[in-house]
Amino acid sequence: DAGVIQSPRHEVTEMGQEVTLRCKPISGHNSLFWYRQTMMRGLELLIYFNNNVPIDDSGMPEDRFSAKMPNASFSTLKIQPSEPRDSAVYFCASNLRGPLHFGNGTRLTVT
Amino acid sequence: RKEVEQDPGPFNVPEGATVAFNCTYSNSASQSFFWYRQDCRKEPKLLMSVYSSGNEDGRFTAQLNRASQYISLLIRDSKLSDSATYLCVVNPRQNTGFQKLVFGTGTRLLVSP
Repeated sequence: DAGVIQSPRHEVTEMGQEVTLRCKPISGHNSLFWYRQTMMRGLELLIYFNNNVPIDDSGMPEDRFSAKMPNASFSTLKIQPSEPRDSAVYFCASNLRGPLHFGNGTRLTVT
Repeated sequence: RKEVEQDPGPFNVPEGATVAFNCTYSNSASQSFFWYRQDCRKEPKLLMSVYSSGNEDGRFTAQLNRASQYISLLIRDSKLSDSATYLCVVNPRQNTGFQKLVFGTGTRLLVSP
């Protein structure tokens, strides 16, 4: 039973570069969430989708961040251009009314 | 005021001890509450839901106090494997079918031999 799958696990990039994070939710789940976790701010909800439609993107920090969900089995979170303050662990999670199931996360370091 | 607040700890306890964490929330209309556990460099995982009447799962007991707007987690007979960060989670909205969960920053527990 595959869980939420995220890629890459680690990403190191230079300031100004574009970064794309990927997520495959659990099959049958109709909601998908992108979170960012830092020591200072904890887990912050960036955006969530229901049935592939963005419902609330109020947590997206600024226009440099964008997210898409072209179909029920795939979502991307893009940062362009990246900045050092974007360094964090980015989690994708999915659910179908029940508890959230998180992926392993992508640890992003922007130098 | 933060929507969900927790004491970051760490709580250092010996094996076998009983330890309790509290978490306060600001939205009195919040409907659902959870405790998640997060191990170092891992993803959060659901530990237990918190029901109005309180609930128990083995060594773990969760309580909800709506009047004072806090939830608690009690761990009895602590094990080394309980060492982790415990995240308090609140759904501040009415039940719309969407779980826009708000996470606390977590309480770190260290259980020593």
